[in-house]
Amino acid sequence: DQQVKQNSPSLSVQEGRISILNCDYTNSMFDYFLWYKKYPAEGPTFLISISSIKDKNEDGRFTVFLNKSAKHLSLHIVPSQPGDSAVYFCAAYDSGTYKYIFGTGTRLKVLA
Amino acid sequence: SAVISQKPSRDICQRGTSLTIQCQVDSQVTMMFWYRQQPGQSLTLIATANQGSEATYESGFVIDKFPISRPNLTFSTLTVSNMSPEDSSIYLCSVGQGMRTEAFFGQGTRLTVV
Repeated sequence: DQQVKQNSPSLSVQEGRISILNCDYTNSMFDYFLWYKKYPAEGPTFLISISSIKDKNEDGRFTVFLNKSAKHLSLHIVPSQPGDSAVYFCAAYDSGTYKYIFGTGTRLKVLA
Repeated sequence: SAVISQKPSRDICQRGTSLTIQCQVDSQVTMMFWYRQQPGQSLTLIATANQGSEATYESGFVIDKFPISRPNLTFSTLTVSNMSPEDSSIYLCSVGQGMRTEAFFGQGTRLTVV
């Protein structure tokens, strides 16, 4: 049973435009959400996070939105740059078990 | 943030053999996690390793196949035992401090079993 889902395996966006990556979760007990970026042959790199008591967190070009009622979060990258091309993983932190649950990832390709 | 050194970065192993992956952190951390990422798949948690206690394994993973050591707060090893081609995967070490903070990852070990 996949508790964290990223339904789009891939996304292509033109340089300078907005990239929107989506993530859905099923467990309402998750109280902290994270996005990671992964390049080939490297480990995932932490990008941005959001607490469940907030609905938005912004860091430079990256903004994460959380809709708790819909159990949905999204990562916005604006403007998108070719260096943003990577696989993006959504993750949920379960403070009851201290575990991070990851989605299946979305491969973003930013076209120059 | 924590700097995590994981080695080897890759290996090609014969079936039936074992490989031990090392994870060294530049600071003391409470929780260490071992993940597996099979081709095209998500990161799947194998086990959680806390210093001074037995590792806690997730469903589908057993200690005989994936023994873990956690001798101190900066180091852990994962052994993949009696390997088969199905064990070909990327294995990732991760650390966290709990309490709703981000986890950090090593660069991963790409294992190919032939």
